Amino acid sequence: QVQLVESGGGLVKPGGSLRLSCAASGFTFSDYSMSWIRQAPGKGLEWVSYISSGGSTKNYADSVKGRFTISRDNAKNSLYLQMNSLRAEDSAVYYCASGSYYNDYWGQGTLVTVSS
Amino acid sequence: EIVLTQSPGTLSLSPGERATLSCRASQSVSSSYLAWYQQKPGQAPRLLIYGASSRATGIPDRFSGSGSGTDFTLTISRLEPEDFAVYYCQQYGSSPLFTFGPGTKVDVK
Repeated sequence: QVQLVESGGGLVKPGGSLRLSCAASGFTFSDYSMSWIRQAPGKGLEWVSYISSGGSTKNYADSVKGRFTISRDNAKNSLYLQMNSLRAEDSAVYYCASGSYYNDYWGQGTLVTVSS
Repeated sequence: EIVLTQSPGTLSLSPGERATLSCRASQSVSSSYLAWYQQKPGQAPRLLIYGASSRATGIPDRFSGSGSGTDFTLTISRLEPEDFAVYYCQQYGSSPLFTFGPGTKVDVK
């Protein structure tokens, strides 16, 4: 069955960096566009970034543009999010999700806390 | 930028009742690009409806979606105990690429 497993979250100081990973299994990863979507505690969903199946197209929310970088390694069935210059408002559960026009499969999320 | 507004914010109903959730867009949205998700506490969102009216794999037929243009609706024909959750609509567009509505919480009356 389809599985998406995020890792790499944790506590980081403002201005710090983290790299999130998402390991995919149970489907042909290289055929699917992928996204990172986050949810601050007690809040709604916010799309963060998108990458096409081959990795040539990348999009970012304005709130993270210039600070976050999405990438993927289709040989390793993995998706990544490099997060730099982190701010308190980046604190959230980060989900990876598959799909082009909608997100049909989601991981369980990894918690990122930005605090001094 | 397309903004999605969901109403009501909270819907208090009893099991067996019908739930009607609204999602309104600030500009016209292609029906192909409108989706609905269910999220329960401590869980990831689950895709319910895509293309405004197509049920995702394994979704019971008590869930249905409709609408076009700027007005979309998610209907749960008869609420089951497991349906009490938060529901989000989402659109795929240009910038930002994806937008979510703020959510409607369906809770037990």
